[in-house]
Amino acid sequence: GAVVSQHPSRVICKSGTSVKIECRSLDFQATTMFWYRQFPKQSLMLMATSNEGSKATYEQGVEKDKFLINHASLTLSTLTVTSAHPEDSSFYICSADAIAGFEQYFGPGTRLTVT
Amino acid sequence: GENVEQHPSTLSVQEGDSAVIKCTYSDSASNYFPWYKQELGKRPQLIIDIRSNVGEKKDQRIAVTLNKTAKHFSLHITETQPEDSAVYFCAASLGPYYGGSQGNLIFGKGTKLSVKP
Repeated sequence: GAVVSQHPSRVICKSGTSVKIECRSLDFQATTMFWYRQFPKQSLMLMATSNEGSKATYEQGVEKDKFLINHASLTLSTLTVTSAHPEDSSFYICSADAIAGFEQYFGPGTRLTVT
Repeated sequence: GENVEQHPSTLSVQEGDSAVIKCTYSDSASNYFPWYKQELGKRPQLIIDIRSNVGEKKDQRIAVTLNKTAKHFSLHITETQPEDSAVYFCAASLGPYYGGSQGNLIFGKGTKLSVKP
């Protein structure tokens, strides 16, 4: 089956620093990758959609200069949280869907804690 | 844009009973409706999905029904077991062909299902 990996699985950083999270589709090419944020006991909130080779599309209320997304290839997308603050602490999950596919395949998530 | 409402937010059943979770959506153009099970701290796992050209789909103890006219879809779990305890999310999407780009998944707020032995 389609496998999506995410790295790191957990990260703790100090306020004001930047953190990069990688999302990879391991056995398929993903035209589109999605980034979600999930706060405790809440649903997944879509942050942005990224297509290989083009700029990401951000959801309303998500700061594109704070959450930098790069989709360099059909198997890799990165999310960089810049100048992180404690309120950015959350569970970040990426997903990818195969070309012309309906189903999205989720990564295992990254638990970000900003101190 | 699409809006997905999910009810109930919590559901407690006895082992062996059935559980039903309902979702409504707002965008009549949505045509893909997956259901995910998420255990604490883990990724959402797709358990069943349905497309708009189908009214019902079943996979062992799990079934999903779709009413396009009313814009609602439901998850049915029969003969529940303690390991079914988790948070369940419904979602709706326009599908990969809308506008030539991949459709975003819009999630409901989730239902915490507890199955008591």
